[in-house]
Amino acid sequence: KQEVTQIPAALSVPEGENLVLNCSFTDSAIYNLQWFRQDPGKGLTSLLLIQSSQREQTSGRLNASLDKSSGRSTLYIAASQPGDSATYLCAVNDTGFQKLVFGTGTRLLVSP
Amino acid sequence: ETGVTQTPRHLVMGMTNKKSLKCEQHLGHNAMYWYKQSAKKPLELMFVYNFKEQTENNSVPSRFSPECPNSSHLFLHLHTLQPEDSALYLCASSRGAGEGETQYFGPGTRLLVL
Repeated sequence: KQEVTQIPAALSVPEGENLVLNCSFTDSAIYNLQWFRQDPGKGLTSLLLIQSSQREQTSGRLNASLDKSSGRSTLYIAASQPGDSATYLCAVNDTGFQKLVFGTGTRLLVSP
Repeated sequence: ETGVTQTPRHLVMGMTNKKSLKCEQHLGHNAMYWYKQSAKKPLELMFVYNFKEQTENNSVPSRFSPECPNSSHLFLHLHTLQPEDSALYLCASSRGAGEGETQYFGPGTRLLVL
């Protein structure tokens, strides 16, 4: 059974720092991996989707990498801002259909 | 605003009550989902509907009963719930149910069962 782990569970950094969030999964036979953002009182917003054949995806200050063989993904946030404060969730799709397996998330706080 | 709305946003109910959660998507999508998010636990997929047909029931207890009358609306009927069912219930939709599609989430309904 696929299990997704995210480390750290919480992270607090001052504004401007570059940071890395980690995600690991137990079964490397995945179709894709997604990073989501969840704000309090709001639903999830998809940030980046990496197909199994890809090694990274970039969107603005965000860069997500995927190492399928080792079961790892990282989300790199450059020049962090207070508006980046949220919970970041990693999810893998290992069935070929829309059955995402989520991690428990990393709660990020960026202080001004 | 993602185009997926959920009502109510908050709900308190007793164990003997019957209530329903509603989800509506304005994106023209064909697949809709119910998720449960409990404190300190990963988001769990409950049900998947594709073109109004249920394609996934992730071993959900029968006290949760989904209904999908059309591709734009999804309901979750609740009856005789337990306190451990208290959680944030999230609805999502996607253009299709294939593996490459992105899911769009609603804001959720926070449910408290007393």
